[in-house]
Amino acid sequence: NAGVMQNPRHLVRRRGQEARLRCSPMKGHSHVYWYRQLPEEGLKFMVYLQKENIIDESGMPKERFSAEFPKEGPSILRIQQVVRGDSAAYFCASSPLGTGNEKLFFGSGTQLSVL
Amino acid sequence: AQSVTQPDIHITVSEGASLELRCNYSYGATPYLFWYVQSPGQGLQLLLKYFSGDTLVQGIKGFEAEFKRSQSSFNLRKPSVHWSDAAEYFCAVGTLNDYKLSFGAGTTVTVRA
Repeated sequence: NAGVMQNPRHLVRRRGQEARLRCSPMKGHSHVYWYRQLPEEGLKFMVYLQKENIIDESGMPKERFSAEFPKEGPSILRIQQVVRGDSAAYFCASSPLGTGNEKLFFGSGTQLSVL
Repeated sequence: AQSVTQPDIHITVSEGASLELRCNYSYGATPYLFWYVQSPGQGLQLLLKYFSGDTLVQGIKGFEAEFKRSQSSFNLRKPSVHWSDAAEYFCAVGTLNDYKLSFGAGTTVTVRA
């Protein structure tokens, strides 16, 4: 049973480019969460999605960031016009229906570096 | 405001020695408490969690943690570390029926031979 899969592991972008981070949840999990870890800080909640629905995006920056979890395929975190401050580790987690924070499984993260 | 503090950024311990990682939290509601470990190149793995009941919680890989409400702490311990315990450890806090977790900044553990 594969765990939460994130790709790419490392992503390098120049300022102004777009970054797309992918997350495939564990089999049978219908809830996806994205967290961001800035240097020297703990993981911070960004967004919570179910299939085709954004449930809570209270942790997402208001501009340039968007997330989706389509009916088919992985969840995508998209960052437009990246800036150096977007450099961070982005973690995805998934959980089964209705378990909240009790059964979260995390991926290994995507390290985004903005030059 | 809700917060989680891990006072030690980096700890070095000899193989076979005991390990204790500190975690303090500030939370308005009854907390759910977690410890995660991230080995190099791996995802965060849940070591243990506390929701209620016995305040001494046993986890995987020989780890345990003790919830002390009076001190707002949830320290992680292991009696004898192995080289494979070298990793980054995160304390996290949540509440009942909430899917969000608040994480500390992490403690990096180095194990020397």
